[in-house]
Amino acid sequence: NAGVMQNPRHLVRRRGQEARLRCSPMKGHSHVYWYRQLPEEGLKFMVYLQKENIIDESGMPKERFSAEFPKEGPSILRIQQVVRGDSAAYFCASSRTSGSGLEETQYFGPGTRLLVL
Amino acid sequence: AQSVSQHNHHVILSEAASLELGCNYSYGGTVNLFWYVQYPGQHLQLLLKYFSGDPLVKGIKGFEAEFIKSKFSFNLRKPSVQWSDTAEYFCAGQSGGSYIPTFGRGTSLIVHP
Repeated sequence: NAGVMQNPRHLVRRRGQEARLRCSPMKGHSHVYWYRQLPEEGLKFMVYLQKENIIDESGMPKERFSAEFPKEGPSILRIQQVVRGDSAAYFCASSRTSGSGLEETQYFGPGTRLLVL
Repeated sequence: AQSVSQHNHHVILSEAASLELGCNYSYGGTVNLFWYVQYPGQHLQLLLKYFSGDPLVKGIKGFEAEFIKSKFSFNLRKPSVQWSDTAEYFCAGQSGGSYIPTFGRGTSLIVHP
């Protein structure tokens, strides 16, 4: 029973390039969440998606960042024209449903560590 | 605003010592609480969670946490730590009806032999 999968695990980009981070949720999970973790900080919520829908993007920077979760394939977090401040660990989580009950516990992937040179 | 506070940012213990990591939350009403562990270079793993019922929650690897509503606390405990418990520990809270947990800053635990 595979857990949440993320790739790549490590990504190095130069300033101005694009970064694409992928997340495949656990089997049976249709809700995906993206978080960013800066050094010495906890996880900060970015965006919550269901298949083909963005439900909540209140934590996403207004520019350069976008996310999608197509009908087929993984969820993708895309960062255009990366800057050094984008260097962080990006974690994806998935849940079976949404809300605050037992079924809605989020399970995390291994993260993608982005380094912008 | 909802928040989760972890006051111990760095903890260093010897093996076999007892552990207690503090977590306080500022939510009104129903709250769900979690402790996650992040081993070096790895992803977050759920240690334990509280939704309702018995306020003393048992988790994996010998960890437990107690929900004390009057103190707005959900401290993590382990009677005897091991070197392999060296990791970052995150407390998270989620108000009833919300799907987004708020994470504390994390506590870095180092256990030396």
